[in-house]
Amino acid sequence: GDSVTQMEGPVTLSEEAFLTINCTYTATGYPSLFWYVQYPGEGLQLLLKATKADDKGSNKGFEATYRKETTSFHLEKGSVQVSDSAVYFCALRSNAGSYIPTFGRGTSLIVHP
Amino acid sequence: EPEVTQTPSHQVTQMGQEVILRCVPISNHLYFYWYRQILGQKVEFLVSFYNNEISEKSEIFDDQFSVERPDGSNFTLKIRSTKLEDSAMYFCASSEVGNEKLFFGSGTQLSVL
Repeated sequence: GDSVTQMEGPVTLSEEAFLTINCTYTATGYPSLFWYVQYPGEGLQLLLKATKADDKGSNKGFEATYRKETTSFHLEKGSVQVSDSAVYFCALRSNAGSYIPTFGRGTSLIVHP
Repeated sequence: EPEVTQTPSHQVTQMGQEVILRCVPISNHLYFYWYRQILGQKVEFLVSFYNNEISEKSEIFDDQFSVERPDGSNFTLKIRSTKLEDSAMYFCASSEVGNEKLFFGSGTQLSVL
């Protein structure tokens, strides 16, 4: 079935460092891909998405490119801030079979001043 | 900004007891979901609900689980006889359009002793 694999956390960075959080997926067909973010004490919220190969989703300085050849959707940000400290979840929604979003385990990001 | 609210934030119960987890989805949303995350594992889909009935459920959602929308605002998950392995963070979510841009609550941490 569909699945999402994220890198283990926590990822610990200093402010202004470059961020990459890896995500790879297994799915039938051509899924839509998502990154959600959960700030402390809050619910998961959609950060960005991409719906087809080579699409780039972006929001709040974060970017992720839909790479069909490597089945990946890595999240990147050029310069992280303390306020980016959160848990990041990669997810997919298949366009065949079940349309229910499938999530990864989440990767915790801690940014130090 | 409208948000999904979940109560309680923490629930401790004895094995074999019944628990009800409560959620108030965003008022104009029509699709409702329950997910759970066992510590260190992926966020797993349990059930989706639309038009006052279950639209999809996972293998996890067995006869011990039930969902209900008892009035126009609440959406509940009942576990009839809790087991140790039900200990997890339970997330409620809602969406305006099916399976698109889910809005999550901050979760209920269920501990079964």
